[in-house]
Amino acid sequence: EPEVTQTPSHQVTQMGQEVILRCVPISNHLYFYWYRQILGQKVEFLVSFYNNEISEKSEIFDDQFSVERPDGSNFTLKIRSTKLEDSAMYFCASSEGGLAGINEQFFGPGTRLTVL
Amino acid sequence: AQSVAQPEDQVNVAEGNPLTVKCTYSVSGNPYLFWYVQYPNRGLQFLLKYITGDNLVKGSYGFEAEFNKSQTSFHLKKPSALVSDSALYFCAVRDGGDTNAGKSTFGDGTTLTVKP
Repeated sequence: EPEVTQTPSHQVTQMGQEVILRCVPISNHLYFYWYRQILGQKVEFLVSFYNNEISEKSEIFDDQFSVERPDGSNFTLKIRSTKLEDSAMYFCASSEGGLAGINEQFFGPGTRLTVL
Repeated sequence: AQSVAQPEDQVNVAEGNPLTVKCTYSVSGNPYLFWYVQYPNRGLQFLLKYITGDNLVKGSYGFEAEFNKSQTSFHLKKPSALVSDSALYFCAVRDGGDTNAGKSTFGDGTTLTVKP
């Protein structure tokens, strides 16, 4: 069964450093997402991506965040200058094409980001 | 704006008993409703969804949910709980009138514990 994969599983970085979180969505999916989950808290939407551009982003997704689909398979989230409060589990998700919104999202296992 | 409420942080049931995990929602347009389950150190897994049609939807692992428009609820149910159902459950909503790529808003999650 196809699945979303994410690397690395755990990333430790120093405050102020740049990190890139990588995701490989399911191959025939057209919509891509990033969510984050701070330990013990709710899953928060960051950004959605369709047709090689950002479709929607939350207020969390400020100028220090960016997303990219550099090739036909990878989908990356970059945090330019990490802050302590960026420590969280970051989930990538993808969903099929067609009418946006009706298809369930398939989530990766997550990358745990720890900012020291 | 869209929002989801899961009024119970924890639900405890005995194995073999029926279980209910509650969810209420608020959206401007038609609601697209989803349930996901999260096991420890794993990503979210899709259980079931309501888009349109029959108010009672059936999903994976014997779970079902009933859409109630008048009460704006989408409670998750299972007739006979298993110990292996113990996990964190998230209700999510999308606004069917949103033409963007389907941002999901998640509830805070409900921890289900099934005791032998």
